[in-house]
Amino acid sequence: GAGVSQSPSNKVTEKGKDVELRCDPISGHTALYWYRQSLGQGLEFLIYFQGNSAPDKSGLPSDRFSAERTGGSVSTLTIQRTQQEDSAVYLCASSPNGGASSTDTQYFGPGTRLTVL
Amino acid sequence: DQQVKQNSPSLSVQEGRISILNCDYTNSMFDYFLWYKKYPAEGPTFLISISSIKDKNEDGRFTVFLNKSAKHLSLHIVPSQPGDSAVYFCAASPWSEKLVFGKGTKLTVNP
Repeated sequence: GAGVSQSPSNKVTEKGKDVELRCDPISGHTALYWYRQSLGQGLEFLIYFQGNSAPDKSGLPSDRFSAERTGGSVSTLTIQRTQQEDSAVYLCASSPNGGASSTDTQYFGPGTRLTVL
Repeated sequence: DQQVKQNSPSLSVQEGRISILNCDYTNSMFDYFLWYKKYPAEGPTFLISISSIKDKNEDGRFTVFLNKSAKHLSLHIVPSQPGDSAVYFCAASPWSEKLVFGKGTKLTVNP
């Protein structure tokens, strides 16, 4: 079946503008994660949705970052008043049940490369 | 403070030889460890994992070793193939779903 998809694949924006990044998880996966990878860094956890539970927002770097997951499927990551340090590849992943086990691998999308000028 | 460290940013090996990628962690609460492989312009893809109750897991050419006392794990690829050239990320989780990743090691397998 289809994997995790993300759009847009690339986004160039001016400092101070708002951006929205979209993630379509694998159908039926209850857990959805957002990570980002800045240049020369590993993947940094941002936020995690599991079913109808309150999301784990502990990785969001500032209150300019927010995310929603509508209907338990599609998710949107919004960055308000973008700054140059927000430039990174934003990766979305989904997993069947949201538990770290051998049967619950996280599957990643191709990412959105965000460049803030 | 980095909880998962991959101290070698790059590694180059000859085709047919063994590739050994290393990873160290600091958080003793980590119970589950994974290796992901990433090609340019693609998302990471799951490669192999190991839980803390094991010290070795093997899948074809890929073997992951876990040394809990040393807080160290390694990925062995043998024999290495040119198609294995990619960035390899080590990741760990304390069974709390979110993964903590290392910075990655770029593996180049030369024909």
